[in-house]
Amino acid sequence: AIQLTQSPSSLSASVGDRVTITCRASQGISRSLAWYQEKPGKAPNLLIHDASNLESGVPSRFSGSGSGTDFTLTISSLQPEDFATYYCQHFNSYPITFGQGTRLEIK
Amino acid sequence: QVQLQESGPGLVKPSQALSLTCTVSGGSISSGDYHWTWIRQPPGKGLEWIGYIYDSGYTYYSPSLKGRVTISLDTSKNQFSLKLNSVTAADTAVYFCARGPGELYGDPTYFHSWGQGTLVTVSS
Repeated sequence: AIQLTQSPSSLSASVGDRVTITCRASQGISRSLAWYQEKPGKAPNLLIHDASNLESGVPSRFSGSGSGTDFTLTISSLQPEDFATYYCQHFNSYPITFGQGTRLEIK
Repeated sequence: QVQLQESGPGLVKPSQALSLTCTVSGGSISSGDYHWTWIRQPPGKGLEWIGYIYDSGYTYYSPSLKGRVTISLDTSKNQFSLKLNSVTAADTAVYFCARGPGELYGDPTYFHSWGQGTLVTVSS
């Protein structure tokens, strides 16, 4: 199975900061990567699919980039509602796997 | 807008079977073009894909759970279900049902609609 490694595992930042989260795949996955935001007690919410396609209704401060093995999720200006855990997920082949998550906390 | 809602027992004894149902509203489970999927998340841990069913009844399961898992469809009730046999404490998790765009026998997909999740605890 393809392994996804996110970095950092946790991150402290302030409102207004620019934040970047990285997801590295153990083998090339083209652009078959999605990003989710998860808040406690809630289901994950799809932010980005196909590495850089913003899901409808997601604020434009979220963006994704990358291909092959290295991907990034960037939040251009953190808002209070963005403090959450973020997961990447590949859909290049079966089985589908997720990264271990990046917890974004308020500094 | 489609909505998904999981239901089922919150406590299961070790060695027994875990059974959950996902009720879909706002869209037909028979419409095609979607992978109806189960995903789980052990407490404090990451997400694990379990498998999916297509409206034809075709299924695909994670190799790590294959042999213990069955996903089925009830189109008359607009529901799909998960059964996991011989559970242990390691199967304690929040179980999510989800929907993602996809074709029959198709490639894996991402998930744009999720249920709220239901916690299943395996304990005697």
